[in-house]
Amino acid sequence: EPEVTQTPSHQVTQMGQEVILRCVPISNHLYFYWYRQILGQKVEFLVSFYNNEISEKSEIFDDQFSVERPDGSNFTLKIRSTKLEDSAMYFCATDTGDTIYFGEGSWLTVV
Amino acid sequence: QKEVEQNSGPLSVPEGAIASLNCTYSDRGSQSFFWYRQYSGKSPELIMFIYSNGDKEDGRFTAQLNKASQYVSLLIRDSQPSDSATYLCAVTGGYQKVTFGTGTKLQVIP
Repeated sequence: EPEVTQTPSHQVTQMGQEVILRCVPISNHLYFYWYRQILGQKVEFLVSFYNNEISEKSEIFDDQFSVERPDGSNFTLKIRSTKLEDSAMYFCATDTGDTIYFGEGSWLTVV
Repeated sequence: QKEVEQNSGPLSVPEGAIASLNCTYSDRGSQSFFWYRQYSGKSPELIMFIYSNGDKEDGRFTAQLNKASQYVSLLIRDSQPSDSATYLCAVTGGYQKVTFGTGTKLQVIP
């Protein structure tokens, strides 16, 4: 059973639309992360989330982005008013204390 | 700015040979070191993690850590064509964001 499950696996959206990416980690994990990887580029840190609060965010994570854990299980990344350059694979990750596991990723294409 | 450096490759090795992948990092406070394998279009898949200086072996994989030199490597013995992928070195200070290298593309030639 995977440590992290992400949905959707692939989403195509029009520029300017809002997108919500979801992550369901195994319970009892407290640290969560969102990363993104633009095609052909390195994996980039977006934000870390601990105890229902953002603990660290990168310069990429501007006001266009938000994260929350609305029901104590799902962990979401919202991208408002998407831009073409938001097209990337978005990975949720969870820290077990021993290591960090990544979800399968959500491939976002903005057209 | 924490940096993790890897040679982008491609590194080509014949089937059955040992592949050696290298990584250096800039933050001396780093505590945890990871190697991930990533196939094209897929998410990173954890291969190994190492915390202490020295070697750690798991099957055909051996991770080596030298904190004094700020160097971590991954050896793949008896390389198989299915090992062909991009290998990502990642570093963290513990319950902190993981910083990734750009990855080394490995090609195992049958």
